[in-house]
Amino acid sequence: AQKVTQAQTEISVVEKEDVTLDCVYETRDTTYYLFWYKQPPSGELVFLIRRNSFDEQNEISGRYSWNFQKSTSSFNFTITASQVVDSAVYFCALTSAGFQKLVFGTGTRLLVSP
Amino acid sequence: GAVVSQHPSWVICKSGTSVKIECRSLDFQATTMFWYRQFPKQSLMLMATSNEGSKATYEQGVEKDKFLINHASLTLSTLTVTSAHPEDSSFYICSASGRDSARAFFGQGTRLTVV
Repeated sequence: AQKVTQAQTEISVVEKEDVTLDCVYETRDTTYYLFWYKQPPSGELVFLIRRNSFDEQNEISGRYSWNFQKSTSSFNFTITASQVVDSAVYFCALTSAGFQKLVFGTGTRLLVSP
Repeated sequence: GAVVSQHPSWVICKSGTSVKIECRSLDFQATTMFWYRQFPKQSLMLMATSNEGSKATYEQGVEKDKFLINHASLTLSTLTVTSAHPEDSSFYICSASGRDSARAFFGQGTRLTVV
């Protein structure tokens, strides 16, 4: 069975601080995909990144960066110089190749105060 | 990315009535659609998977007679909550993927309140 664990329920930071959201996953599949989504108060899921299991390169997109480590089954997400607009719930998710249904973690609520 | 439109965005209904939620892929053919449910401050849980022209596959614990899913065309899937009760109040969100999709695309979600 697949499982995604986001141990941090809620994180509070002050604007401009860096923050890392942790994600640990479990799967027996050798090919799989990992995702991060942002869910603002409106509820809509905003896609942030997709990473396949064969690509362990870290990725940077603006203030966002992701660290994928198969050895520890982790896919952590870092926001640099956080802003108030980053306040949201962030979900890590997992799917196997060939399937698009996602297994979500429990989410981490990020509160960025001015 | 591809566009998935979900309607309505919110609905309030009386206990015992049925509510239909639509999920449309606007610019691609959705061979597979997924329906998720999210209770307040909780994660998203998959309810069912539907392939166009086939019966939906429900996850364990989801009542198929209560949550009717229809995927009659490559651009439309509907979820009908039958005989809704207050405990069905939740955020329902669909996602859709096509044959060549690298990922599924989410609708905006529907907030259902049963009073």
